[in-house]
Amino acid sequence: AQSVSQHNHHVILSEAASLELGCNYSYGGTVNLFWYVQYPGQHLQLLLKYFSGDPLVKGIKGFEAEFIKSKFSFNLRKPSVQWSDTAEYFCAVKGETSGSRLTFGEGTQLTVNP
Amino acid sequence: GAVVSQHPSWVICKSGTSVKIECRSLDFQATTMFWYRQFPKQSLMLMATSNEGSKATYEQGVEKDKFLINHASLTLSTLTVTSAHPEDSSFYICSATDDPRGDTQYFGPGTRLTVL
Repeated sequence: AQSVSQHNHHVILSEAASLELGCNYSYGGTVNLFWYVQYPGQHLQLLLKYFSGDPLVKGIKGFEAEFIKSKFSFNLRKPSVQWSDTAEYFCAVKGETSGSRLTFGEGTQLTVNP
Repeated sequence: GAVVSQHPSWVICKSGTSVKIECRSLDFQATTMFWYRQFPKQSLMLMATSNEGSKATYEQGVEKDKFLINHASLTLSTLTVTSAHPEDSSFYICSATDDPRGDTQYFGPGTRLTVL
């Protein structure tokens, strides 16, 4: 079975600070990895995804994530956050034998103070 | 981009009644729809996967007789919570995809169910 763990449940930053949100997964085979964002009052939106190839993936709004296979990690980063990045962030994994089933992490609430 | 809607956005019902939640893909045909449940401050938990015209596949521990899923068309799936009880109170989210692998899922805004 696949599982996902996000270490930080609530992160508070000031504008222009750098961001790194941790995500570790557990699965014995090939995985597809995702980061989703949920802005207040809105639905989940895809930030970025990794399927294969370059382990450094760039997404929308200046976000990027790095897949480190040896560490089973897929941490999300942004060099300089903005107030508008305040949202909940979810890491998700889909194992190669899981069909289309996504498994989500617990989520990290990011609050950016102006 | 692809849009998925849910109706209603929130519902309050009495214990023992049934509630139907609709999920629609507005600008694409969704071959597969997913239903998730989210408890406060917790992750989304997949409840079931439904393909148009066939029976839904339920995750382990999800009662199929309690959570009835119908995917009668390529743009509509419904989740009916039968004989709802307070412990069924939760946030229900659907997603839809037209990708056979399900790699790209578009999420609805969710439905808040409160059972009194």
